[in-house]
Amino acid sequence: DAGITQSPRHKVTETGTPVTLRCHQTENHRYMYWYRQDPGHGLRLIHYSYGVKDTDKGEVSDGYSVSRSKTEDFLLTLESATSSQTSVYFCAISEGAPGEKLFFGSGTQLSVL
Amino acid sequence: GENVGLHLPTLSVQEGDNSIINCAYSNSASDYFIWYKQESGKGPQFIIDIRSNMDKRQGQRVTVLLNKTVKHLSLQIAATQPGDSAVYFCAEPFSGGGADGLTFGKGTHLIIQP
Repeated sequence: DAGITQSPRHKVTETGTPVTLRCHQTENHRYMYWYRQDPGHGLRLIHYSYGVKDTDKGEVSDGYSVSRSKTEDFLLTLESATSSQTSVYFCAISEGAPGEKLFFGSGTQLSVL
Repeated sequence: GENVGLHLPTLSVQEGDNSIINCAYSNSASDYFIWYKQESGKGPQFIIDIRSNMDKRQGQRVTVLLNKTVKHLSLQIAATQPGDSAVYFCAEPFSGGGADGLTFGKGTHLIIQP
């Protein structure tokens, strides 16, 4: 599992509430990624990080922010959750060259009611 | 991002037979491809990768073939087992390279019949 832990594994929240998902890695990888997975859309990149305090947007970044204050932790925040953000969220790290050979965590199932 | 797609959404094979899962890509500049396996309730699992300077690469019971002429990628699984039942995705880097992750196809669901 490349030393990736996502928390929580499941969360149910209400529309308009803030939510933070955590990704923790134990192997000091520089590149980390947040994806969401939805039926009919597959895996889509939300944000990624190429080092401490260095982050950038992916293809579906609206409504999400990220932070990386330590190499091992990459946080994904939904400032005001909406029902369209109900999804399974996966964190990934890159073991090879940047952007290659991504290894994924077990995912967080988020339901926004 | 690049369009990485699939020919079939579901593939059903008999246990013990070989499986072939196909993937088409549109960006002729792509130089790296990966296959992932995702079992129900789990994250995608890396299977095998291939660079564009290769036509074929073999792993344990799996072979990836790359046909750059027709922009086609396939994953062959030999002697399929019940544990091979999963959704399989092909993926390639955004913009043909760089740190900004991978773009994924929609997936093919492989079903193993006993």
